[in-house]
Amino acid sequence: SYVLTQPPSVSVAPGETARIICGGILIARKSVHWYQQKPGQAPVLVISYGSDRPSGIPERFSGSNSGDTATLTITRADAGDEADYYCQMWDSTNDDWVFGGGTKLTVL
Amino acid sequence: QITLKESGPTLVKPTQTLTLTCSFSGFSLSNSGVGVAWIRQPPGKALEWLAHIFWDDDKRYSPSLKSRLSVTKDTSKNQVVLTLTNMDPVDTGTYFCAHVIAARSPFDFWGQGTRVTVSS
Repeated sequence: SYVLTQPPSVSVAPGETARIICGGILIARKSVHWYQQKPGQAPVLVISYGSDRPSGIPERFSGSNSGDTATLTITRADAGDEADYYCQMWDSTNDDWVFGGGTKLTVL
Repeated sequence: QITLKESGPTLVKPTQTLTLTCSFSGFSLSNSGVGVAWIRQPPGKALEWLAHIFWDDDKRYSPSLKSRLSVTKDTSKNQVVLTLTNMDPVDTGTYFCAHVIAARSPFDFWGQGTRVTVSS
């Protein structure tokens, strides 16, 4: 089955840019979605189809997808962005909806 | 607006069957393309997709759990029911339902989740 690989943690200083990657074979050909999950809360969709930002999501959040890596970029990071971030896609070959292992973003 | 809410037991015993209900509003499961998915999350661990049911009663299941899962819908009641048989402590976690508009679409609206503990 298709595997999405994320680093367990990423740290960024306040005001700087955070980049969270999601690795998968030829992931650039897939529709990748990104979710933010804060402790005790349900996930929130922050990027869909690789780079689309749903209504209400700040412009500081953006996504890109190239080769074997999808990237979620958060500019001007602040403490409110601290959360776990998950990438996700539909593996049509195996009819499986796959999540990455999640990345914990720390802003310090 | 679209809302979803999960309900069901908070505690089940090993070998029992878990039945969870997702009650939703703001959309209809009779509309073309629309679906409801179930996702779970063990404590401190990653999200795991379980199942989808679509407007036309098309059902998809996680390959690793397919033999234990069942999903049904009641369009008139705006509800989707998930059953997971032969529960084990490793099935402990928070169970979410979510709205989708197609197989490749994201989980765009989520319920708050319901916590399930498997213990004797």
